[in-house]
Amino acid sequence: EAGVVQSPRYKIIEKKQPVAFWCNPISGHNTLYWYRQNLGQGPELLIRYENEEAVDDSQLPKDRFSAERLKGVDSTLKIQPAELGDSAVYLCASQGLAGDSPLHFGNGTRLTVT
Amino acid sequence: EDQVTQSPEALRLQEGESSSLNCSYTVSGLRGLFWYRQDPGKGPEFLFTLYSAGEEKEKERLKATLTKKESFLHITAPKPEDSATYLCAVQAGTALIFGKGTTLSVSS
Repeated sequence: EAGVVQSPRYKIIEKKQPVAFWCNPISGHNTLYWYRQNLGQGPELLIRYENEEAVDDSQLPKDRFSAERLKGVDSTLKIQPAELGDSAVYLCASQGLAGDSPLHFGNGTRLTVT
Repeated sequence: EDQVTQSPEALRLQEGESSSLNCSYTVSGLRGLFWYRQDPGKGPEFLFTLYSAGEEKEKERLKATLTKKESFLHITAPKPEDSATYLCAVQAGTALIFGKGTTLSVSS
């Protein structure tokens, strides 16, 4: 089966500019996650979707970050405006129906804010 | 507060030199403990899930074990291709909490 697909792989922007990341999960996976991974750290959850509904967005900085998952499949994560501290790798993951089944990750988008 | 701590942060081994990575955790209501491998520039790749104390899982040169407070990832006779960062994560409720990882380097 095809894995989780993310684009773009790399993005360099100037601070205060907007940026968007796209994720296509594994077919049939209803649960989708966005994580942020800083250098030398483990991934940290930003938001979790069950189908179209954001069921956990408590760690999402809502003043500048937004996300959507139209039709319960693809998802986009947006930052506007970007700040220097937003430089990180943004990972998307999807999960099958069992709540404790493993997450499958994409290769991420490496964002550099200058 | 739920917490995951991995040690050591970095580990250098010679090819064939067996060792263990540690993941200690404090979490209320553990639903599962996961081990992932992450190569540079890639997303984490799933290795194992452990659900209860005493459980063990094996895959090639890797063996994961679980107690009530920690998990170990044992690497037997490692090869250079085992070089990667190994991440431990615990699931408490619906959240998956990751440690910072152990970066393993195996030289020939």
